[in-house]
Amino acid sequence: EILMTQSPATLSVSPGERATLSCRASQSVSTNLAWYQQRPGQAPRLLVYGASTRAAGFPARFSGSGSGTEFTLTISSLQSEDFAVYYCQQYHNWPPYTFGQGTKLEI
Amino acid sequence: QVQLAESGGGVVQPGRSLRLSCATSGFAFSDYPMHWVRQAPGKGLEWVAIVSHDGRDKHYADSVKGRFTTSRDNSGNTVYLQMNSLRAEDTAVYYCARDIFTGSSGWYGPGDHWGQGTLVTVSS
Repeated sequence: EILMTQSPATLSVSPGERATLSCRASQSVSTNLAWYQQRPGQAPRLLVYGASTRAAGFPARFSGSGSGTEFTLTISSLQSEDFAVYYCQQYHNWPPYTFGQGTKLEI
Repeated sequence: QVQLAESGGGVVQPGRSLRLSCATSGFAFSDYPMHWVRQAPGKGLEWVAIVSHDGRDKHYADSVKGRFTTSRDNSGNTVYLQMNSLRAEDTAVYYCARDIFTGSSGWYGPGDHWGQGTLVTVSS
């Protein structure tokens, strides 16, 4: 089973600033890596897949990068609606499709 | 537009069974694999199961293998999760999600459309 580790657990950032979230896989997942955004009380939303392809509905201030075992989600110029929990998930070796433990992005 | 709606959650005693349903609309249901993902209260996401577009291929997390079964009705655009021998640690919101890839791709990927979830509470 591939373990996914996200850091930091909580990230405090001011609106308008840049946020950088990290996700590390215990072995290579190539670019079979997705990011999700989950706001309180809501279902997760697919944000990025293929490590860097932005899903429909998300603005260009969201960008994903990385391959192999190291991945980054960058949110430039944070808006109020971006404060949420972000999860990474690998879909390279399955089952299971493992998630990271999440990074809470707070003001 | 793509819509998914889970139902069937509730309070159930340990050792009992429950069946969740996920009704879908707005897309060619029979073309897509479907996932189940759960989230315990205040915790992160845990992938539970997947069923292929034609229902022939199924995979499960070790934590539910042998107790949970997923199936689908392509004529009714609905996917199911039969949960037997429920435990307290199965308490969670259960989401269904459509795989981003169609069955013809030969590959499973992330969920690109999710339902709002249904809460299952296992307690005596």
